[in-house]
Amino acid sequence: SQQGEEDPQALSIQEGENATMNCSYKTSINNLQWYRQNSGRGLVHLILIRSNEREKHSGRLRVTLDTSKKSSSLLITASRAADTASYFCATASISSNTGKLIFGQGTTLQVKP
Amino acid sequence: GAGVSQSPSNKVTEKGKDVELRCDPISGHTALYWYRQSLGQGLEFLIYFQGNSAPDKSGLPSDRFSAERTGGSVSTLTIQRTQQEDSAVYLCASRHGWNSYNEQFFGPGTRLTVL
Repeated sequence: SQQGEEDPQALSIQEGENATMNCSYKTSINNLQWYRQNSGRGLVHLILIRSNEREKHSGRLRVTLDTSKKSSSLLITASRAADTASYFCATASISSNTGKLIFGQGTTLQVKP
Repeated sequence: GAGVSQSPSNKVTEKGKDVELRCDPISGHTALYWYRQSLGQGLEFLIYFQGNSAPDKSGLPSDRFSAERTGGSVSTLTIQRTQQEDSAVYLCASRHGWNSYNEQFFGPGTRLTVL
């Protein structure tokens, strides 16, 4: 399988704490994207980081990318109960010109109020 | 504006029946993708459309699966002679512009259950 790996598979924290999720992938990429999924339905796009970028911020989200290690991390600061969801990383390989995404297995985050 | 919509939201069918799943992309988005999410396989790419043509069908799991897109807009994913292993959430995404690496916007998905 080309799918990447994410760890941890599950994470449980208290509201206000930070949550860090890691993603590893296998191919050379154009970009890496993070998505959130609530209740096993639609995916919400969070942030896109390109292969020539090392860090990106969006509100309480911070994403890092290390192409030499083929890994990325998503940090959610000051977590809220509403952040409870599954988080997926997805990569767009440079070997494909279609932009199709290869997803990691996901991290299930529970934020306790 | 309106996002990607999919119908039906849930579909229960008997093994051996055919099903059609519909996707309405964001208006003006030329690229459309189908993905499948199942317990055993996670999220997998199925097929990619640019306009009405499908230059990448590499993710379709068998010849029972087909998809079409008309008018550069609505797409239909058809599964013939459904099997229990087809049970999954089928997600559609669309993307604007000709840059393959722009972000994709996902619909809410269709949950297919094959009894």
